[in-house]
Amino acid sequence: QQQVRQSPQSLTVWEGETAILNCSYENSAFDYFPWYQQFPGEGPALLISILSVSDKKEDGRFTIFFNKREKKLSLHIADSQPGDSATYFCAASDTNTGKLTFGDGTVLTVKP
Amino acid sequence: GPKVLQIPSHQIIDMGQMVTLNCDPVSNHLYFYWYKQILGQQMEFLVNFYNGKVMEKSKLFKDQFSVERPDGSYFTLKIQPTALEDSAVYFCASSQDRGTNERLFFGHGTKLSVL
Repeated sequence: QQQVRQSPQSLTVWEGETAILNCSYENSAFDYFPWYQQFPGEGPALLISILSVSDKKEDGRFTIFFNKREKKLSLHIADSQPGDSATYFCAASDTNTGKLTFGDGTVLTVKP
Repeated sequence: GPKVLQIPSHQIIDMGQMVTLNCDPVSNHLYFYWYKQILGQQMEFLVNFYNGKVMEKSKLFKDQFSVERPDGSYFTLKIQPTALEDSAVYFCASSQDRGTNERLFFGHGTKLSVL
């Protein structure tokens, strides 16, 4: 059973639109949720993260909305730019371990 | 910002041979990790390492796998012998602490091709 799921698998938006990437999880013990951005040929880079005690985290154009009851979260990228085109991974971990469990990723394409 | 370096970037070997993947973690970091990624898909945890010991490993971390960091040098992942299914990109990561607020830094990965 996959612990972290992401949807959609791929997403295309126009420059300036808001991209919405979804994530859900199974393990109630997860309390830390980072989102990673990965460009081809590179390693994942931390974009933004949220703890389960919060329901929203904002950093510039990037916002995480978190619903603990439904075990769902989403990443909103406002005013999308072509340079945002990348694969985005939702990940989760609990306080007792540094191990991250990743979703399958969403490939985002922003068209100019 | 802080960088994790991985050497080599690409390694091609024949099935059954031994391979060592090298990682130079961020200098003041204490926790080290290996993740495996196939075809740009899901990153899967292999192992984490602290104070000279494996702290946790997944079922993907087969008996043929081993990790070490002798005398503060490279953090290495050794596979002996290699199998075709070991072909993947292997990412090393490091963090100063393993707390949930601690930022995990990833290297650019080593692409391993087992023929």
